[in-house]
Amino acid sequence: DGGITQSPKYLFRKEGQNVTLSCEQNLNHDAMYWYRQDPGQGLRLIYYSQIVNDFQKGDIAEGYSVSREKKESFPLTVTSAQKNPTAFYLCASSEAGDTQYFGPGTRLTVL
Amino acid sequence: QKEVEQDPGPLSVPEGAIVSLNCTYSNSAFQYFMWYRQYSRKGPELLMYTYSSGNKEDGRFTAQVDKSSKYISLFIRDSQPSDSATYLCAMSDNYGQNFVFGPGTRLSVLP
Repeated sequence: DGGITQSPKYLFRKEGQNVTLSCEQNLNHDAMYWYRQDPGQGLRLIYYSQIVNDFQKGDIAEGYSVSREKKESFPLTVTSAQKNPTAFYLCASSEAGDTQYFGPGTRLTVL
Repeated sequence: QKEVEQDPGPLSVPEGAIVSLNCTYSNSAFQYFMWYRQYSRKGPELLMYTYSSGNKEDGRFTAQVDKSSKYISLFIRDSQPSDSATYLCAMSDNYGQNFVFGPGTRLSVLP
């Protein structure tokens, strides 16, 4: 069954903690993306990667970090430097230049 | 001016109505046009994908692209309560380097 998986579905973070959100795809897509979605808002691009071992900052990269060591995996770390991390996080992948397919999302809440 | 404009709604229609959702854009380099449906607390799912100008039909859904006016539309015929969701337009240039989402229109179809 091909697709994109994200885990966990819900995540709670205490102030000052780093947390890592997982994103895995078995679609053999080259490109992967992380978006943040706030209530009633559109999607904002955090980071994207067009190829293994390479990634680029999006519009709101501050307070986030990523790695792309394997084609199928693109984890996102929300660091303590991100002042307002409570949001819905979406991972997507695409074949280069083609449309994007999304995972089910991770809802992060800061306690 | 934002790159992609979309009326956020909410839009409420009775069951069976024809729904028209629209986006306007400013970048004439956009060649690929997509519509996504997003249910509450879920990831967006791809509904329609068109290249350049013209119409595309899939069941009750029709996507239209008018590049001369920089205007795209999604029509839903015989709308159902299960169509209640947020609809996001998206577009990209020929190389997929500039992938932009609209903010989404929230649609409610009332039984």
